Amino acid sequence: DGGITQSPKYLFRKEGQNVTLSCEQNLNHDAMYWYRQDPGQGLRLIYYSQIVNDFQKGDIAEGYSVSREKKESFPLTVTSAQKNPTAFYLCASSPGQHTQYFGPGTRLTVL
Amino acid sequence: QQPVQSPQAVILREGEDAVINCSSSKALYSVHWYRQKHGEAPVFLMILLKGGEQKGHEKISASFNEKKQQSSLYLTASQLSYSGTYFCGTEGMDSNYQLIWGAGTKLIIKP
Repeated sequence: DGGITQSPKYLFRKEGQNVTLSCEQNLNHDAMYWYRQDPGQGLRLIYYSQIVNDFQKGDIAEGYSVSREKKESFPLTVTSAQKNPTAFYLCASSPGQHTQYFGPGTRLTVL
Repeated sequence: QQPVQSPQAVILREGEDAVINCSSSKALYSVHWYRQKHGEAPVFLMILLKGGEQKGHEKISASFNEKKQQSSLYLTASQLSYSGTYFCGTEGMDSNYQLIWGAGTKLIIKP
């Protein structure tokens, strides 16, 4: 089955730790995105990538890093520089026609 | 610039109709509508393109007024399953694969 997978579903981090959220898609989509969603709020763009080995910062990239070494994978690292990382993180992909399809999300909590 | 969605929230009885609006201050190429249920990822409903026709999906349809840079989502004879938060994502003429998201409209359907 084609789709977008994110893991883990729930993630707990201690202050000062870096954590990496996984996002994989087998839809052969060129573009991939990472969003952050806080409770009761909309989606804010962290990073996006249109092609392999290239990515651009979104509105709230500080404290986050990404890589795009393979077309199907776009992992997000939440670094210790991100002071308030507790949120719901959503990965999306797009075939280039601009409609975005979302993975199930990862809920990150800082202890 | 973030599109403005209205209303912020609406409560309906099952079978009633609702309209959700999305307005932008920028010239738009397309408007995308998504529905998100609590704790889940947003699900794509439909896309409206500049110069395109009004779209429909079951009893949910939408229009795009290019002159006003405004889109409206129409939910007819609402069902309990329509409950959730509706987001519009707008694409400008120079969007470069990005969508700018509204803050969302929370729809509650009561039996």
